[in-house]
Amino acid sequence: EVQLVESGGGLVQPGRSLRLSCTASGFSFDEYAIHWVRQAPGKGLEWVSGISWNSRGIDYADSVKGRFTISRDNAKSSLYLQMDSLRPEDTALYYCVKDICPLSSTSCYLDYWGQGTLVTVSS
Amino acid sequence: SYVLTQPPSVSVAPGQTAAITCGGNNIGSKSVHWSQQKPGQAPVLVLYDDTDRPSGIPERFSGSNSGNTATLTISRVAAGDEADYYCQVWDSSSNHVVFGGGTKLTVL
Repeated sequence: EVQLVESGGGLVQPGRSLRLSCTASGFSFDEYAIHWVRQAPGKGLEWVSGISWNSRGIDYADSVKGRFTISRDNAKSSLYLQMDSLRPEDTALYYCVKDICPLSSTSCYLDYWGQGTLVTVSS
Repeated sequence: SYVLTQPPSVSVAPGQTAAITCGGNNIGSKSVHWSQQKPGQAPVLVLYDDTDRPSGIPERFSGSNSGNTATLTISRVAAGDEADYYCQVWDSSSNHVVFGGGTKLTVL
């Protein structure tokens, strides 16, 4: 059974940093791209960032580019999101999501979601 | 960047058919995927590559994609289908995953 478990969320002041983690099991983690998708309270889904199986393909949404850094450790079946210079508008539930492909492209899609970890940015 | 447009809400009586649209420029040339999100839960993939269902998803869920509109169709709607539905594509021009704004399906 595919499982994705996020952690590291919490309450943080604007301008501070936070690091999210996602631990995967039930599939060959090192064969798939993985993404972070967030959902602000009462709002829709927003793609944040994605990373290819070998970390050579990395992309960010414009809203977080330059502030967030995605990374992965295939030996630990883990995905990370380093979030710096946090803003109130970054407040959301952050999901770790598996891709069906090793490198995201036109024929690929997101198939399994974790339960999310909540990040609240407020003074 | 590529934009996907969904109606905010769709209402349907039990047993009827619900059609949820996802509009985008020449979306028919892309593969569209749909996820269902029930209150308090993570999204679940219900349709991929326009028309294909993951294992465990009822045949009542079907899809189409042509021109500027993709459609998720749910036949014989039941109370358990009440949820938010999101369409998703890959935008090759930006290398980004793109979601529609979501449609809340209400079963009357």
